[in-house]
Amino acid sequence: KQEVTQIPAALSVPEGENLVLNCSFTDSAIYNLQWFRQDPGKGLTSLLLIQSSQREQTSGRLNASLDKSSGRSTLYIAASQPGDSATYLCAVPQGAQKLVFGQGTRLTINP
Amino acid sequence: DAGVTQSPTHLIKTRGQQVTLRCSPKSGHDTVSWYQQALGQGPQFIFQYYEEEERQRGNFPDRFSGHQFPNYSSELNVNALLLGDSALYLCASSTPTSGGYTDTQYFGPGTRLTVL
Repeated sequence: KQEVTQIPAALSVPEGENLVLNCSFTDSAIYNLQWFRQDPGKGLTSLLLIQSSQREQTSGRLNASLDKSSGRSTLYIAASQPGDSATYLCAVPQGAQKLVFGQGTRLTINP
Repeated sequence: DAGVTQSPTHLIKTRGQQVTLRCSPKSGHDTVSWYQQALGQGPQFIFQYYEEEERQRGNFPDRFSGHQFPNYSSELNVNALLLGDSALYLCASSTPTSGGYTDTQYFGPGTRLTVL
């Protein structure tokens, strides 16, 4: 059974800092890994998807890395802004159809 | 191009009642998945529909049922509501890859269900 863990549960940093969010998974035989953003009470917005054959993906100030052998992924956010404040979730497929999510990291960027 | 849409946005029910939530997938998508997200938790997979059939089901009781229509839209039905069913219900659409795996899932805004 796949289990996904995100640490820390909450993070508060001043504006402008670079930061790293962590995601670990128990079964390294994954097809891909996806990072999502969720604003309070809202749906999920896909940020980055890394295929199992890739080591990293970049989109603007976001960079996600994947190390399947160690069961870990990181989401790096450069030059953080108050608008980055949200909950960040990682998810991996279990079987062909089901996504297994972590609990999320609630990020607050202080002006 | 409209993304995934869900209705209603909010819903308040009392214990024992029944509820139906609706989802229209992103244009070109034929697969719909439903997730339940309790406050402060990650989403939990309920089930997935493809070609009008349930393909996979998570650890949810039979009170949770669904349906997919020929136009790929979907409904989630919950009977005999319990207080613990209060949550954000998310619908996601996708299209299966040639290997059978589901590629990027696109999520709707969710329906907030409150059971009193």
